[in-house]
Amino acid sequence: DQQVKQNSPSLSVQEGRISILNCDYTNSMFDYFLWYKKYPAEGPTFLISISSIKDKNEDGRFTVFLNKSAKHLSLHIVPSQPGDSAVYFCAASAYGNDMRFGAGTRLTVKP
Amino acid sequence: EAQVTQNPRYLITVTGKKLTVTCSQNMNHEYMSWYRQDPGLGLRQIYYSMNVEVTDKGDVPEGYKVSRKEKRNFPLILESPSPNQTSLYFCASKGPAGTGPYSNQPQHFGDGTRLSIL
Repeated sequence: DQQVKQNSPSLSVQEGRISILNCDYTNSMFDYFLWYKKYPAEGPTFLISISSIKDKNEDGRFTVFLNKSAKHLSLHIVPSQPGDSAVYFCAASAYGNDMRFGAGTRLTVKP
Repeated sequence: EAQVTQNPRYLITVTGKKLTVTCSQNMNHEYMSWYRQDPGLGLRQIYYSMNVEVTDKGDVPEGYKVSRKEKRNFPLILESPSPNQTSLYFCASKGPAGTGPYSNQPQHFGDGTRLSIL
C-alpha cells in the first residue's frame, strides 16, 4: 500500500522553463513533507521540505506547494537547468516518525 | 565531512551465501535505517534503529537482519540471499526530529550498494 505516490515516472522540460513535479499522499496523519534529488550512482540528497502548517516554502529556484485538502504537493523548479536532471523523490512522515517515499520522477532538462 | 558510508558499493554473489553490507555514519545520529530501491516502487524501508540496541522492522524486513551495537554502525545482513533480494540498497541516518508534530529531520543517505544475487 503506497501511501505516497508519484504518478509521473518521467518529465522532460526545456532549459529555462518551469519544471513541476507532483506527489499525492493518502495518509492524513502526515505532517512533514520532503523532496529529495538523486543522481546516478549517488544516494538521495535532501532538497527542500515543508510542514503541514504551511502551504508554501521557497529556497532559491525551488518551491514546494502543499494542498492539504487535496493531499497533494508539488515541487516547482524555475528556471530549470540541465544540472537539475535527476530522479526526484517525494517523502512524507508523521510526528517525526519514519518517512514514506514515492516511486520517483525522472526529470530531464534539455539544453 | 558529514557522511554515511556503505560497503561494498557493488556485489555479485550466489543464492544462499551469507553476506553483510556495512554502514557507518560520522554525524553522531541516533536514528539509522536501511532502504531498498526497486523500479516503480521507490525507496522501501527494510529496518530502522532509533538508538543503540533498538531495532524495528520497516515495510519489507523479510530475509534481512540488522544489528546496532554501536551508534555509528548499522550493518545489514542477508543470511541466505535469494534472487528477489537483487536490488539497490541505501543506508541513511538522521538527527532528532524535535518535539511535537510538524517537524522532522531530513535523512542523510549513503551512495548505495548494488547487490546482484544469482
